[in-house]
Amino acid sequence: ELKVEQNPLFLSMQEGKNYTIYCNYSTTSDRLYWYRQDPGKSLESLFVLLSNGAVKQEGRLMASLDTKARLSTLHITAAVHDLSATYFCAVESRKDTGGADGLTFGKGTHLIIQP
Amino acid sequence: SQTIHQWPATLVQPVGSPLSLECTVEGTSNPNLYWYRQAAGRGLQLLFYSVGIGQISSEVPQNLSASRPQDRQFILSSKKLLLSDSGFYLCAWSTWDEQFFGPGTRLTVL
Repeated sequence: ELKVEQNPLFLSMQEGKNYTIYCNYSTTSDRLYWYRQDPGKSLESLFVLLSNGAVKQEGRLMASLDTKARLSTLHITAAVHDLSATYFCAVESRKDTGGADGLTFGKGTHLIIQP
Repeated sequence: SQTIHQWPATLVQPVGSPLSLECTVEGTSNPNLYWYRQAAGRGLQLLFYSVGIGQISSEVPQNLSASRPQDRQFILSSKKLLLSDSGFYLCAWSTWDEQFFGPGTRLTVL
């Protein structure tokens, strides 16, 4: 059974600081996803990491993937209040059906950035 | 561009009542479709997925069922709701390398 663990689950930080969210998963997977969720809203896709060593950046967020360590990180640089949200990582559960691949999610990191 | 719709946006239902939630996708054909539920204490959980019309796979045993009567339509149903069915239901579709989520339906069972 695929398990995905995120840490920390809760993070309060000040604007201007840097921090990293970690995502570990238990079995081999081809893809790792990062999503953002604002209160009461759906999931917004941030990054999809498709291969070992993949690194993607968008604004103050940067995600990386180490498939050998089964670890992904989401790094926040010089945080601003607008980045306050819950961040989820998710790993694709490969099926042998040749079809759909559902996602197994971590529990999410609730991030509060204070002015 | 592709768009995913869900309705209703919110729903309050009594225990024992039936349920029907609808999801439709525009701008793509033959998508893989998914139902997820986000519930307090249980996180985000995959409920059903579908690779085509009439093809449904269930990830967990539950009080719910799913159907795909048309290529871009995915329906989540229940004959009798339980309190534990409360949650935020998200429909999603996938391309080869991304999975996109709809706006969600918030269901409260009283």
